[in-house]
Amino acid sequence: AQSVSQHNHHVILSEAASLELGCNYSYGGTVNLFWYVQYPGQHLQLLLKYFSGDPLVKGIKGFEAEFIKSKFSFNLRKPSVQWSDTAEYFCAVNAGKSTFGDGTTLTVKP
Amino acid sequence: EAQVTQNPRYLITVTGKKLTVTCSQNMNHEYMSWYRQDPGLGLRQIYYSMNVEATDKGDVPEGYKVSRKEKRNFPLILESPSPNQTSLYFCASSLLGTGNYEQYFGPGTRLTVT
Repeated sequence: AQSVSQHNHHVILSEAASLELGCNYSYGGTVNLFWYVQYPGQHLQLLLKYFSGDPLVKGIKGFEAEFIKSKFSFNLRKPSVQWSDTAEYFCAVNAGKSTFGDGTTLTVKP
Repeated sequence: EAQVTQNPRYLITVTGKKLTVTCSQNMNHEYMSWYRQDPGLGLRQIYYSMNVEATDKGDVPEGYKVSRKEKRNFPLILESPSPNQTSLYFCASSLLGTGNYEQYFGPGTRLTVT
């Protein structure tokens, strides 16, 4: 059975701090990995995705993620967060049946 | 504009009264899916569909039904809603195949069952 585990439930940072959100997955086939963001009161939007090739993928708004196959990990990073990054972040694996992590709430203090 | 629409956006109903939440996409996507979002539990997949007349159970299908008679529509049916189905529901769609499965989400339907 596929599963996704996000390590941090709530992260609080000051503006300009660096961010890393952990995600580990369990899936037996070819992975399609995603990070989605949900701003307060809004629906989910795609930040970035990985399915093959360069394990370091870049997304919107300065986010990037690194796929490490040996660790079954797909951690999200941003060098310098902004107040506007305050949101909930979800890691997901999808190959038909789709599994999301429980989410990480990021609060960025101005 | 490419989008996924859901109706209604908000619904308050009573236990046992059948309801349908509609979902429609205009992107010609093969894949459509329903999720429920509950605090601390992330998104859990209810049902998904890889194409017309092809539906499969997700992780929490009990108490829900779906149908996919047309490519663009994927309604969620609660035959006899119960209070534990109070939740925020999202519909999503995507193209199929490796490199795809990037889901576009609807605005959500907040359902309260009393």
